[in-house]
Amino acid sequence: EDQVTQSPEALRLQEGESSSLNCSYTVSGLRGLFWYRQDPGKGPEFLFTLYSAGEEKEKERLKATLTKKESFLHITAPKPEDSATYLCAVHSTGNQFYFGTGTSLTVIP
Amino acid sequence: GAVVSQHPSWVICKSGTSVKIECRSLDFQATTMFWYRQFPKQSLMLMATSNEGSKATYEQGVEKDKFLINHASLTLSTLTVTSAHPEDSSFYICSAPPGGNEQFFGPGTRLTVL
Repeated sequence: EDQVTQSPEALRLQEGESSSLNCSYTVSGLRGLFWYRQDPGKGPEFLFTLYSAGEEKEKERLKATLTKKESFLHITAPKPEDSATYLCAVHSTGNQFYFGTGTSLTVIP
Repeated sequence: GAVVSQHPSWVICKSGTSVKIECRSLDFQATTMFWYRQFPKQSLMLMATSNEGSKATYEQGVEKDKFLINHASLTLSTLTVTSAHPEDSSFYICSAPPGGNEQFFGPGTRLTVL
């Protein structure tokens, strides 16, 4: 069964304390893996797309990596404004999109 | 990045009334748009795929007669919640792919049914 699982569900970090969020996936075939940021009461904001194992992308304090089974979103020296829910989604070769339940990140000043 | 807008951003209505939500792609054309529903502290649930010029495709368990979708042009899709009830209260989000794999999301519409 195709599915996407994110962990942890919630993460509290001190400002400056680096960490990683995990997105594990099982799909019959991967067309792309996406990371989004969602603030309360708003639509998801696109962050990254990864297409193949070994690929990495960076944007400011965020870095996304991809293997054949999972993706990590690394947050380096986070700031309070990085607090949000981070969603992972997978586009399968069957043209289906699967979303994880998200990781709620809180960065404490 | 591509811009997707939704209108209204929030709506409050009485039980039994119908509510229309618009989703527009502002700087690209979208033959396909997606409608999601999100309950508090839960992830997005795909409701239906809106196809320009043809009928929408609904996910299992989503009532097509209750959630009417019209994709009238390459930049506009509408979702009408008919005879809304309190259990339909949710955050409705649309998305559209500008041409590649990525989906860009609208800002969402908060529906509250009294």
